[in-house]
Amino acid sequence: NAGVTQTPKFRILKIGQSMTLQCTQDMNHNYMYWYRQDPGMGLKLIYYSVGAGITDKGEVPNGYNVSRSTTEDFPLRLELAAPSQTSVYFCASSYTPGLAGGREQYFGPGTRLTVT
Amino acid sequence: DQQVKQNSPSLSVQEGRISILNCDYTNSMFDYFLWYKKYPAEGPTFLISISSIKDKNEDGRFTVFLNKSAKHLSLHIVPSQPGDSAVYFCATEGTAGGFKTIFGAGTRLFVKA
Repeated sequence: NAGVTQTPKFRILKIGQSMTLQCTQDMNHNYMYWYRQDPGMGLKLIYYSVGAGITDKGEVPNGYNVSRSTTEDFPLRLELAAPSQTSVYFCASSYTPGLAGGREQYFGPGTRLTVT
Repeated sequence: DQQVKQNSPSLSVQEGRISILNCDYTNSMFDYFLWYKKYPAEGPTFLISISSIKDKNEDGRFTVFLNKSAKHLSLHIVPSQPGDSAVYFCATEGTAGGFKTIFGAGTRLFVKA
């Protein structure tokens, strides 16, 4: 199992550009998440999905969009990039919380994004 | 308003000694608590968890203690090893967060050889 994979690893964007951060998991998890981590801060939830076709906002959704057409993929779209979106982005997945099995999340290696 | 607080940004411990990392939370509705470990340039990895129906959970060198009345949990690492040097995040979830996990800011642990 590859677990959770993210591409690209690094990206530099100019202000106003757009891009999509890719995330794929091969563990057949229903739940998937996007977080951002700013220096010295914890992870902030951007969007999450409880299954294909279902997404919902997290704590910091402004400036981002997501889609979930398959169980495996959960891309994050940045429209009109701004310097405030400079951060490290982590994708994660988990089994359905509250059901049998652990509630821990499995994280990808992250994408370091700089907007200048 | 931080619902999960890790008040120590960093901690330095000698190899072989005990490392104690602390975490406080504000909402008594949280019913599940997790610790994640993160190395530079990698994603966080799950370390250990505890349900609110317990006050202690042990896994090898790692023990998590939960004090519900104080809304406090701690992670003990005994004995500490240089490979334990990483950032440790406390996280909570439960009906208060609608199963959305809330992370603390992290504590950077340095284990000196």
